[in-house]
Amino acid sequence: EVQLVQSGAEVKKPGESLKISCKGSGYSFTSYWIGWVRQMPGKGLEWMGIIYPGDSDTRYSPSFQGQVTISADKSISTAYLQWSSLKASDTAMYYCARHKDAFDIWGQGTMVTVSS
Amino acid sequence: SYELTQPPSVSVSPGQTARITCSGDALPKQYAYWYQQKPGQAPVLVIYKDSERPSGIPERFSGSSSGTTVTLTISGVQAEDEADYYCQSADSSGTYPGVFGTGTKVTVL
Repeated sequence: EVQLVQSGAEVKKPGESLKISCKGSGYSFTSYWIGWVRQMPGKGLEWMGIIYPGDSDTRYSPSFQGQVTISADKSISTAYLQWSSLKASDTAMYYCARHKDAFDIWGQGTMVTVSS
Repeated sequence: SYELTQPPSVSVSPGQTARITCSGDALPKQYAYWYQQKPGQAPVLVIYKDSERPSGIPERFSGSSSGTTVTLTISGVQAEDEADYYCQSADSSGTYPGVFGTGTKVTVL
């Protein structure tokens, strides 16, 4: 079965760093892009960026360039989304999804709460 | 910035047809994709490349494209189709490799 399993919910304070993960299984991890999507509470979906684990080619939406870092470790079929200094406005559900033309397989989501 | 515009809401009676539009300047050059999201769940792809339906998606879901507007049509709407629907595409310059539409809440009356 093709699936993406994301790391668990996080509660952090402003200014802290964070790295959440997305582990793929059931398919060739290096042959598909993996993307990240933000959904703030009660709001719509936002396209953040994608990475090709085969060569780590990464594309960001201008809205998220410089705000987050997307990476991948193909040896363990895992993609990551990272913040160096969280803000309250980063509070959201974050989804990873496999990307081949479209986001065809989605992870279950990771809720990130940033609060003092 | 590049935007994809959808109506905030569409209401439809069971068995009727729901049509959801998505407008964007680059849509004549870029494929569109549609996702369904139910409360508390991850999105699900229902249409790709404007009009293709993934396996497992009911035939009542269809997509079409005309100029700068793409349309998701749900024929014979069922109560289970009540959800938020998002289009997704990209701009033609590559600056925005991916963008989601503003989202449409479909209510089954």
